[in-house]
Amino acid sequence: EPEVTQTPSHQVTQMGQEVILRCVPISNHLYFYWYRQILGQKVEFLVSFYNNEISEKSEIFDDQFSVERPDGSNFTLKIRSTKLEDSAMYFCASMMSRGINSPLHFGNGTRLTVT
Amino acid sequence: KQEVTQIPAALSVPEGENLVLNCSFTDSAIYNLQWFRQDPGKGLTSLLLIQSSQREQTSGRLNASLDKSSGRSTLYIAASQPGDSATYLCASPEVEGFQKLVFGTGTRLLVSP
Repeated sequence: EPEVTQTPSHQVTQMGQEVILRCVPISNHLYFYWYRQILGQKVEFLVSFYNNEISEKSEIFDDQFSVERPDGSNFTLKIRSTKLEDSAMYFCASMMSRGINSPLHFGNGTRLTVT
Repeated sequence: KQEVTQIPAALSVPEGENLVLNCSFTDSAIYNLQWFRQDPGKGLTSLLLIQSSQREQTSGRLNASLDKSSGRSTLYIAASQPGDSATYLCASPEVEGFQKLVFGTGTRLLVSP
């Protein structure tokens, strides 16, 4: 069964450094998302992306965050200057269509640790 | 704004028991409700999606129900197995922002042999 793949599985970075989290969504999906989960907390929506532009973003997704789909397969999340509070599990997700019967498919996540 | 809560936070049962996990939501005008499974340190696996027009969905030993009027969904697991041990999350799209899922805090299930 097709799946969403994310790399790396674990990233350790120093505060203030830039990180890029990578995702390969399911190939025929059109809608792409990033969510995050701080340890012990709820999964939170960050951003959705469709037709090469952001369609919605949360208040968490400030100017330090950006997303890109540089080619036909990859979808990236960049954090320009990481903060300690950015430490979390980051999940990429994709969806085929925007229908009420269209489930969201998640990757296994990237655990980001900011020291 | 949609809010989703799950009780209990944790549940421990012996193998073979049937069990029910609960999910409550505040806005009954939901599009759908999705149940996920999360293994420790892993991603989210979609288990079932119930459309707003449906009352229940079944997949193997799993059955999810939806009662919009009471703002509740339940996930029923029949004949539980140790391999069912995981955290179970429910999520519903934010009503105004269709693409954005609002998650509950999850129920951590432990099925002991």
